[in-house]
Amino acid sequence: GNSVTQMEGPVTLSEEAFLTINCTYTATGYPSLFWYVQYPGEGLQLLLKATKADDKGSNKGFEATYRKETTSFHLEKGSVQVSDSAVYFCALSSASNTGKLIFGQGTTLQVKP
Amino acid sequence: GAVVSQHPSRVICKSGTSVKIECRSLDFQATTMFWYRQFPKQSLMLMATSNEGSKATYEQGVEKDKFLINHASLTLSTLTVTSAHPEDSSFYICSAGDRRSYTEAFFGQGTRLTVV
Repeated sequence: GNSVTQMEGPVTLSEEAFLTINCTYTATGYPSLFWYVQYPGEGLQLLLKATKADDKGSNKGFEATYRKETTSFHLEKGSVQVSDSAVYFCALSSASNTGKLIFGQGTTLQVKP
Repeated sequence: GAVVSQHPSRVICKSGTSVKIECRSLDFQATTMFWYRQFPKQSLMLMATSNEGSKATYEQGVEKDKFLINHASLTLSTLTVTSAHPEDSSFYICSAGDRRSYTEAFFGQGTRLTVV
C-alpha cells in the first residue's frame, strides 16, 4: 500500500540556518505530494504541493521537488526563522482519490534565535 | 482560498456522554470529507471517509458505532463520539475535498476533545 516516511525529529536549528526535512514515499501510479505545517494547538495548513514528477512546489521560502526516480519530496528552506518552528508533515494523495491523504509521521522543527 | 470550519475547537465532556463535532466547507461544495485523529506527538490517522448522502467508509480498526459520521449536505459533515471514554481524548481534524480541484484537501482547525 501507499506510505510516506519522514526523517525523525526533532530538528533543532539556529535562526538563518539551512533546513532540509527528508520525505520519501511508496505509491502506485502517480500520486500528488504535499507538505503541511501544524503550529502548536492548531490544525494543518497546506505549505506547498506538487502534482507531477519534476514539479517544484514553493511557498514562504520553502520548496520541494517531486522526484519520481528517487520517490522523494524533500522540504528545504535556505534561511529559517524562529516563526518557522512547527511540526511539518509530508503527505501523498493517490491520483484517483480527491483529498484522502496518507501522512508521514511528522517532523518537529525548533528554531532558536 | 477554500475554507473549512470545524467546531468546537475544544470540548471537555464526561465519560459516557456523547460529543458532536461539526465540519463545514464555507465557500465550496465538498462531496467528500475526511476525519482524522491525531494522538499527542504523532501523525494523523485517517478514521473515515464521509460521502454526501451515503454511509461513511471507515478505516480498519475504527468502531463505526462509536464514531458516528453523518454527511447530510455538500457543506456539512458531523462526527459524533458516542459513550465517550478517556481513551477517546484526542485531536480530531476534518478535511474536505474540493470538487473543483481533485488534488487538494482543505483542513479544519481541529477539535481538542478531553474526556474526564
